[in-house]
Amino acid sequence: EDQVTQSPEALRLQEGESSSLNCSYTVSGLRGLFWYRQDPGKGPEFLFTLYSAGEEKEKERLKATLTKKESFLHITAPKPEDSATYLCAGGTGANNLFFGTGTRLTVIP
Amino acid sequence: DGGITQSPKYLFRKEGQNVTLSCEQNLNHDAMYWYRQDPGQGLRLIYYSQIVNDFQKGDIAEGYSVSREKKESFPLTVTSAQKNPTAFYLCASSIRTGGLGTQYFGPGTRLTVL
Repeated sequence: EDQVTQSPEALRLQEGESSSLNCSYTVSGLRGLFWYRQDPGKGPEFLFTLYSAGEEKEKERLKATLTKKESFLHITAPKPEDSATYLCAGGTGANNLFFGTGTRLTVIP
Repeated sequence: DGGITQSPKYLFRKEGQNVTLSCEQNLNHDAMYWYRQDPGQGLRLIYYSQIVNDFQKGDIAEGYSVSREKKESFPLTVTSAQKNPTAFYLCASSIRTGGLGTQYFGPGTRLTVL
């Protein structure tokens, strides 16, 4: 069964304390791995797409990496405004996205 | 500004009522999608459309209906047949129809059954 599992469910960090969020997947024929940020009561905001193992992408304090079994979202020196739920999704085609349940990140000043 | 708009932001439905959620995009995207988000669950696909006047069921289409009369618009109707409609509904669009394009989301509509 195709599925995406995110861990941890929730993560509390002190401001400046770097960490990583995990997204493991068992998706046959994965063609892309997506990361989104979602603030409470709002729609997901696109962050990154990774297409092949070994690929890395960066945006400000965030860096996403992909292996054959999982993806990591590394957060370097986070700030309180980075607090949000981070979603990952595996895609096999345009209409087949398998979403994880998200990691709720809280960054404490 | 290009983007996806959803209305209303909050919607309340009485038992036995049909309600329609609006989704409009001005990104010139061909494909549009409707998802449902419930606490503790990943987003689940309700319906999607790759082209005007054509749409397909997703994983949880029962109790929902859609139309795609214009490229920019993809309204979702939650019918009285949907037994547990209280949820956060998200509309998305992507530029690609056949390949794996990035899906961009609207702000969402929260539907509550009274």
